[in-house]
Amino acid sequence: GESVGLHLPTLSVQEGDNSIINCAYSNSASDYFIWYKQESGKGPQFIIDIRSNMDKRQGQRVTVLLNKTVKHLSLQIAATQPGDSAVYFCAEHNQGGKLIFGQGTELSVKP
Amino acid sequence: GAGVSQSPSNKVTEKGKDVELRCDPISGHTALYWYRQRLGQGLEFLIYFQGNSAPDKSGLPSDRFSAERTGESVSTLTIQRTQQEDSAVYLCASSRQGGPETQYFGPGTRLLVL
Repeated sequence: GESVGLHLPTLSVQEGDNSIINCAYSNSASDYFIWYKQESGKGPQFIIDIRSNMDKRQGQRVTVLLNKTVKHLSLQIAATQPGDSAVYFCAEHNQGGKLIFGQGTELSVKP
Repeated sequence: GAGVSQSPSNKVTEKGKDVELRCDPISGHTALYWYRQRLGQGLEFLIYFQGNSAPDKSGLPSDRFSAERTGESVSTLTIQRTQQEDSAVYLCASSRQGGPETQYFGPGTRLLVL
């Protein structure tokens, strides 16, 4: 699997602040990237995606940035709310049809 | 239903027993995926079905694991002779065609092997 260890990286932010969650991906041939949010006891939920021919995509309160030069993906959440508290996973698609998931980052929002 | 459903939601079994997990994908989705998620970790790919093509089984951890899919409908993941290290959440996802597109996840089955 792609995950190592039992403890996810954690990001703690104050309610109302902006959050930035980072992800390094492994394959320079990956053509599609996606961010998922996973709340405790639930399956991953789609947030936003981006294709490799783009470097930025915006959604509602979320922005994904793709830097193919350094194989880096980030998720920016504006005006973070307590409901944003969850584990966030990035995933990349390369040849073969399946997504490869990153380790995940736990976002904790302090009221 | 509107989303991916999985059953059972929780399963407790004894070491050495076989278990069968079920996934109902979104209607019309030709691609179906199984993942395993251990506590506090990311998603580990297990197997991928795409239409009538031979499934990609490259993620199955041992020959105790197998999966079937009936056409473009229900899939079952079977774990034979369960071991304690099989304890995890098993997640199913589906997508319209497979490949570079959004996968929609079910709530998962939480398996505990005693």
